[in-house]
Amino acid sequence: DGGITQSPKYLFRKEGQNVTLSCEQNLNHDAMYWYRQDPGQGLRLIYYSQIVNDFQKGDIAEGYSVSREKKESFPLTVTSAQKNPTAFYLCASSPTGQRGGNQPQHFGDGTRLSIL
Amino acid sequence: ILNVEQSPQSLHVQEGDSTNFTCSFPSSNFYALHWYRWETAKSPEALFVMTLNGDEKKKGRISATLNTKEGYSYLYIKGSQPEDSATYLCAFSSGYSTLTFGKGTMLLVSP
Repeated sequence: DGGITQSPKYLFRKEGQNVTLSCEQNLNHDAMYWYRQDPGQGLRLIYYSQIVNDFQKGDIAEGYSVSREKKESFPLTVTSAQKNPTAFYLCASSPTGQRGGNQPQHFGDGTRLSIL
Repeated sequence: ILNVEQSPQSLHVQEGDSTNFTCSFPSSNFYALHWYRWETAKSPEALFVMTLNGDEKKKGRISATLNTKEGYSYLYIKGSQPEDSATYLCAFSSGYSTLTFGKGTMLLVSP
């Protein structure tokens, strides 16, 4: 079955530690996205990539980094510079990057990150 | 920063009731309006993507309307069932692939 796989489901980070969240899709989609959800807030865009080897900052990119070396994969690193990393992280994809706002996004099951 | 507002924040209805929620978005630079259903412990699932003013879409007991001139969309659920319990998200696109999401409406349907 085609879909998006996020791992791990739960992740704990120690102070000063970088952690990487995995996102893999087998939908052959060009565009991929990372969102963060906090209680009482809507999904907020962290980073997105419209094509392999290219990515752009979203609304809340500070303290995060990404790479897009393969079409299928868009890992998110939460760095030690992110002072409030505890949140639920969702990865998504859509078929096309440019002018693709009329295409539904497909989501993974999410990763919940907590601070030890 | 674009502002997408959803109301009400939460809603509790009885099985069989019909209900509706509102999504307000900027009326300028409109390209598309998305609705998603997010059930607990699952991933958000696309319900509708609407692009034309006056558009109306339907999926089973769920339907949505769109008014791009005044910047709002309604989602209707006819004869709510407990399995309709979920958070309903709307999201606005101004043309690019990125979406701006509202905070969602949490629906609870009691048997």
